[in-house]
Amino acid sequence: KAGVTQTPRYLIKTRGQQVTLSCSPISGHRSVSWYQQTPGQGLQFLFEYFSETQRNKGNFPGRFSGRQFSNSRSEMNVSTLELGDSALYLCASSWAQGAQTDTQYFGPGTRLTVL
Amino acid sequence: AQSVTQLGSHVSVSEGALVLLRCNYSSSVPPYLFWYVQYPNQGLQLLLKYTTGATLVKGINGFEAEFKKSETSFHLTKPSAHMSDAAEYFCAVSASSASKIIFGSGTRLSIRP
Repeated sequence: KAGVTQTPRYLIKTRGQQVTLSCSPISGHRSVSWYQQTPGQGLQFLFEYFSETQRNKGNFPGRFSGRQFSNSRSEMNVSTLELGDSALYLCASSWAQGAQTDTQYFGPGTRLTVL
Repeated sequence: AQSVTQLGSHVSVSEGALVLLRCNYSSSVPPYLFWYVQYPNQGLQLLLKYTTGATLVKGINGFEAEFKKSETSFHLTKPSAHMSDAAEYFCAVSASSASKIIFGSGTRLSIRP
């Protein structure tokens, strides 16, 4: 069974631009969570989607948004990029809602660099 | 609110020695606890998790952790370190199935030959 895939793997943008990252969960998984990983702040939860609905949200500004499609694939969007948005963005999928008690399977991440 | 503290941002042990990575948590309700490992340029992989039941949890790659409620700890151990164990390890906590996961700041484990 294929793992969680994230595209693109690397991305370079400039301040003020917007970016869309994509995550394809493991087949059959309905929950997708997004995390931001930076050296300074560590791993921070962005949001979780289950059956196309956002079920949980972290403490990030409204510039960070996401959505989930009927096939469980998810995208996250960051508008008006800032230098501080440079990070590794990780996606994780699990079978059911309440992903925190299910095993979350992580993708390799998308490395975003904002210049 | 939940929080996690990992003691030691970097731990170095000799190959074959005991690995001990420390994690303390704060939670107002019985927690769900996790250990994840991250190898360079890769995502996170679940090592083990505690939800309910037996307090000694065995995970993959010979790792185990013990939930000690009185000490609010969930330390990760492995009896004998292997070079392939070199990676970053994250402890995480969640209050319930409806709560987000809070990660610790991570501990980088180095293995000396």
